[in-house]
Amino acid sequence: DVKVTQSSRYLVKRTGEKVFLECVQDMDHENMFWYRQDPGLGLRLIYFSYDVKMKEKGDIPEGYSVSREKKERFSLILESASTNQTSMYLCANQHTIYFGEGSWLTVV
Amino acid sequence: AQSVTQPDIHITVSEGASLELRCNYSYGATPYLFWYVQSPGQGLQLLLKYFSGDTLVQGIKGFEAEFKRSQSSFNLRKPSVHWSDAAEYFCAVGANNAGNMLTFGGGTRLMVKP
Repeated sequence: DVKVTQSSRYLVKRTGEKVFLECVQDMDHENMFWYRQDPGLGLRLIYFSYDVKMKEKGDIPEGYSVSREKKERFSLILESASTNQTSMYLCANQHTIYFGEGSWLTVV
Repeated sequence: AQSVTQPDIHITVSEGASLELRCNYSYGATPYLFWYVQSPGQGLQLLLKYFSGDTLVQGIKGFEAEFKRSQSSFNLRKPSVHWSDAAEYFCAVGANNAGNMLTFGGGTRLMVKP
């Protein structure tokens, strides 16, 4: 089975902290995605990457950046966390068929 | 711009009853359509997808969905619901088979009564 692994399941961070969310896939897929999930809003695309060192903004990129130094790893970065970034973050890979289990981030 | 509407935020059905979850989309070209299920605290699992061909699509866990272009709908159905089907269900529309830039609906939370 293809696996998409998000190493941090639950995080609590303070306002202004820099936050890294890591996502690793075990397949050689070019495309990887970061989504944010909020109640009633479904999933919204933050960023995606179609190859190493390549990235494209999604629908809500403000306040986020990403890093793709290796094909298997796609990181989401919150440069200065704010309370309105409290959410569930989901990573997915090629075809958006395979999702990680999600990272619950609370910013206090 | 593409959009997806799931009109029902919550649905409650009795175990053994049939189920239909509604999904309406707006998209300028031929859509690629998906249904996902999310159990509490978990990521999303793909139930089924439609790209082309037969408009009735079979998925995992006994689910099926029917693409109706004239109604811009892609409703999810199951003939007999099990208690383990209680979860949140998301419909999504995408531009191509690679799933780039999927747009999701707001989700429908399904509760199953014993």
